[in-house]
Amino acid sequence: GAVVSQHPSRVICKSGTSVKIECRSLDFQATTMFWYRQFPKQSLMLMATSNEGSKATYEQGVEKDKFLINHASLTLSTLTVTSAHPEDSSFYICSARAKLAGVTDTQYFGPGTRLTVL
Amino acid sequence: SQQGEEDPQALSIQEGENATMNCSYKTSINNLQWYRQNSGRGLVHLILIRSNEREKHSGRLRVTLDTSKKSSSLLITASRAADTASYFCATDARGAQKLVFGQGTRLTINP
Repeated sequence: GAVVSQHPSRVICKSGTSVKIECRSLDFQATTMFWYRQFPKQSLMLMATSNEGSKATYEQGVEKDKFLINHASLTLSTLTVTSAHPEDSSFYICSARAKLAGVTDTQYFGPGTRLTVL
Repeated sequence: SQQGEEDPQALSIQEGENATMNCSYKTSINNLQWYRQNSGRGLVHLILIRSNEREKHSGRLRVTLDTSKKSSSLLITASRAADTASYFCATDARGAQKLVFGQGTRLTINP
């Protein structure tokens, strides 16, 4: 089956630093990639949608200058949390919508990245 | 924004019993999907039901969809301790090109 990887799986950083999270589709090309954030015991909240080669579309309330998304290729998207603060500590999950056999309605999720900002 | 509302928020049953979770949504959809998430882990895709389908089965899972009521249910039969997890519905709204998740149900199966 289609596999999506995320790196790193866990990161601890100091307040004020920037953190980059990578999301890769390993064996398929992704037409679109999505970034979600999940706080403890809560659901996934969509942060942004990105298409390869174009600017990301951010959900209402998500600061685009704080959460920089780069979608450089059909297999790689990166999320950079700039000037991270403790309230940014969360579980960040990416997903990729596959372009498989003409079917584009399946999303595959990465394993998530646990960010802790001290 | 959250589209799906799930109930119950938490469910605790004995092993072997059936577990039913419900999901309601607000807009027209292309499909509705159910996911499982173990604590602190990633999502596992369980089943997808399209808007023109009413019921779907996969092993011990049964999903129903009522588009007139904008609701879906997930039934897990003969539950096992390993089924303990959070379960989320997610809707692929028509024209939206994105999945929006419900609030989830925390299911605990007691041995």
